[in-house]
Amino acid sequence: NAGVTQTPKFRVLKTGQSMTLLCAQDMNHEYMYWYRQDPGMGLRLIHYSVGEGTTAKGEVPDGYNVSRLKKQNFLLGLESAAPSQTSVYFCASSYSRDQPQHFGDGTRLSIL
Amino acid sequence: DQQVKQNSPSLSVQEGRISILNCDYTNSMFDYFLWYKKYPAEGPTFLISISSIKDKNEDGRFTVFLNKSAKHLSLHIVPSQPGDSAVYFCAADNNDYKLSFGAGTTVTVRA
Repeated sequence: NAGVTQTPKFRVLKTGQSMTLLCAQDMNHEYMYWYRQDPGMGLRLIHYSVGEGTTAKGEVPDGYNVSRLKKQNFLLGLESAAPSQTSVYFCASSYSRDQPQHFGDGTRLSIL
Repeated sequence: DQQVKQNSPSLSVQEGRISILNCDYTNSMFDYFLWYKKYPAEGPTFLISISSIKDKNEDGRFTVFLNKSAKHLSLHIVPSQPGDSAVYFCAADNNDYKLSFGAGTTVTVRA
């Protein structure tokens, strides 16, 4: 039972570099989400998708882009990484809006 | 501006006793509330939820209470067990696909 899988688990970037975080779910969920978690704060929604081919902005979307080309995958991109984007990133998915979200184990990203 | 607040960053409780975690919210449009549990190096896992049409929901050792007039909810864990040591997040939904999370409360269950 893989559930929600995030790749990579850890990454260190230099300021200005780009990278893509991959989220894959095998539960046939329609809804997928990207959050970031910072010390002393709850999870904050970056972007979300309500189905294949759709994306929408969350609470803190600036500096990030996303794509949902396949139903099972949700990609989060950083075009030009900044130290303020150092965080733990969580992907989640749910069958519908009123069903609990299932989370991956997170990606710890450090930007120097 | 955080709409969901967990004002106690940590809670220590003896094994077998009750753990009470509190959560306050400011947005009266929230209609669904959830509690998630998180262990280190893992993602949050769903624990229990409650709809705004109810004031109590129970699942085994876990009970969530909702006081809409006070914009307050609480999670009771009875009895507390060592495996309950984790970070607990309160979350709220206002029917717009977005969950608002509190900052979390770290629970430590002492043997």
